[in-house]
Amino acid sequence: NAGVTQTPKFQVLKTGQSMTLQCAQDMNHNSMYWYRQDPGMGLRLIYYSASEGTTDKGEVPNGYNVSRLNKREFSLRLESAAPSQTSVYFCASIRGLIAGGSTDTQYFGPGTRLTVL
Amino acid sequence: GNSVTQMEGPVTLSEEAFLTINCTYTATGYPSLFWYVQYPGEGLQLLLKATKADDKGSNKGFEATYRKETTSFHLEKGSVQVSDSAVYFCALSAPQNAGNMLTFGGGTRLMVKP
Repeated sequence: NAGVTQTPKFQVLKTGQSMTLQCAQDMNHNSMYWYRQDPGMGLRLIYYSASEGTTDKGEVPNGYNVSRLNKREFSLRLESAAPSQTSVYFCASIRGLIAGGSTDTQYFGPGTRLTVL
Repeated sequence: GNSVTQMEGPVTLSEEAFLTINCTYTATGYPSLFWYVQYPGEGLQLLLKATKADDKGSNKGFEATYRKETTSFHLEKGSVQVSDSAVYFCALSAPQNAGNMLTFGGGTRLMVKP
């Protein structure tokens, strides 16, 4: 049981290049999330997928797109990378949405460190 | 909107010292509160949580009590170890948060010296 896995671990891009960050979970969770972590700002939600086939914007979605490929996989795409997207990206998952809020634990992947030059 | 404020670090302590990391929140309704820990080079792991007022979450010697009257969830440990060196994040999940997203504080880096 690997939990949440992310690839790659590190990536360096030039401004304008594109790339896709991959995330997979093997816990049969329904909901998945993409966060970015910047110094002193905690984690901020980029996009989430409440269930297979649905995606929604979070706090900071500009410059990103996502795909919920199936129940296990949730990818994040940067179409034209910018230096402001230099960050550490975390994928997370929870068992599922509960009406009125969730007490569930979010499980996080190890992160992808992205540098855009 | 919802927000979480936690004390800025770094916090530097000697081994066996008492630890407090302050966390206060703003939210409507009745959020669930979490402490996550991030060890160097790793992702976040849940440390403890509390889902209603006056609940106490505890794990690995760490404790935090959900205080609705002061909107706080301070993290405490009676005797820290070098292995506790990490970044600690306070977070909340509120009923009206879209997709049950977590709202995080900025994180507090703890350094424990032998």
